[in-house]
Amino acid sequence: DGGITQSPKYLFRKEGQNVTLSCEQNLNHDAMYWYRQDPGQGLRLIYYSQIVNDFQKGDIAEGYSVSREKKESFPLTVTSAQKNPTAFYLCASSEPPHTEAFFGQGTRLTVV
Amino acid sequence: KQEVTQIPAALSVPEGENLVLNCSFTDSAIYNLQWFRQDPGKGLTSLLLIQSSQREQTSGRLNASLDKSSGRSTLYIAASQPGDSATYLCAVGTGANSKLTFGKGITLSVRP
Repeated sequence: DGGITQSPKYLFRKEGQNVTLSCEQNLNHDAMYWYRQDPGQGLRLIYYSQIVNDFQKGDIAEGYSVSREKKESFPLTVTSAQKNPTAFYLCASSEPPHTEAFFGQGTRLTVV
Repeated sequence: KQEVTQIPAALSVPEGENLVLNCSFTDSAIYNLQWFRQDPGKGLTSLLLIQSSQREQTSGRLNASLDKSSGRSTLYIAASQPGDSATYLCAVGTGANSKLTFGKGITLSVRP
């Protein structure tokens, strides 16, 4: 089936650790996005990529890093510099310009 | 800066009612507007996409309208069912890179 796969579903991070969230899509979309969702807040854009080997910061990029070495993959690393990483992380993809966005099932990250 | 508002934050209705969920946005220079459904702990499911040149879109019991000049969209749900209980999010697409700006969502509960 075509879609977006995020893994793992749940992730626990110790203080000072970097962790990487996986996002893979088989929709052949050029654009991919990472959003963060906190209770009572809308989704906020962390990073996005319009094409392989290129990506841009979103509204809340501090403490995060990404790479886009393959069209189908857009991993997100939550670094130790992110002081409040506990949240629900959602990956999305779309085919530019201005088409329907599709989302994965999310990764819930908790700091322990 | 684009802001998207969804009011009320929560809504509870008896089964069978026809519903209207509202979404407003501050900047009318949008490329599209998308409605999503989110079940607890899950990712987003796309319901309807309206391009800026369109006035409405329909899918089954759902109908979404868009009035760009007034900065408003409505999602109409006909003959609501308990299975419609979920959070409904509205997002507007702006800029050449198709970034989405989200509202905080409306949590709908349909009582049997």
